[in-house]
Amino acid sequence: EDQVTQSPEALRLQEGESSSLNCSYTVSGLRGLFWYRQDPGKGPEFLFTLYSAGEEKEKERLKATLTKKESFLHITAPKPEDSATYLCAVQAGSQGNLIFGKGTKLSVKP
Amino acid sequence: DAGVIQSPRHEVTEMGQEVTLRCKPISGHDYLFWYRQTMMRGLELLIYFNNNVPIDDSGMPEDRFSAKMPNASFSTLKIQPSEPRDSAVYFCASSFRHQSPLHFGNGTRLTVT
Repeated sequence: EDQVTQSPEALRLQEGESSSLNCSYTVSGLRGLFWYRQDPGKGPEFLFTLYSAGEEKEKERLKATLTKKESFLHITAPKPEDSATYLCAVQAGSQGNLIFGKGTKLSVKP
Repeated sequence: DAGVIQSPRHEVTEMGQEVTLRCKPISGHDYLFWYRQTMMRGLELLIYFNNNVPIDDSGMPEDRFSAKMPNASFSTLKIQPSEPRDSAVYFCASSFRHQSPLHFGNGTRLTVT
């Protein structure tokens, strides 16, 4: 069965304290891996798509990387406005439907 | 573009009542998705449409759930009769292609008492 697991469930950082969020997956026929950010009371907002192992994407303080079994979302020198839940989703199989992880809730304290 | 628009934002109803959730996708997007989000199960795909035609409804939990897309700019998700376990946040999303990033609405928080 296709699975997407995110860790940790919650992460508290001090402003400026860099860290990484993990998304591990077991799927057949990976088509793409997506990262989304979700703020309270809002829908998920697209951040990155990664298609093949070794690929990297960057946006401001965020950098996403992909291997054959997992993806990391690195956050460098985070600010309080980076506080949100970060969701990973994998598109795989013949149907190509997105399978979401349960997310990592990131809190950045000033 | 105003993005994906969902209504209502909040819905509180009693068990057994009919609930209708509405969605207006982004103009020009050929795909429309309905998701449900709970703390226990996260985001789950219920059904998706391509060019107004339902393609995969395997995520629809029971016959109590039905979805329609009468035209390219409107979709509904109906629950009849509603049950307390249906309480969740329901999201509508649209995309240009099936493998394109999804654009989500801000959801409808449904509470069934």
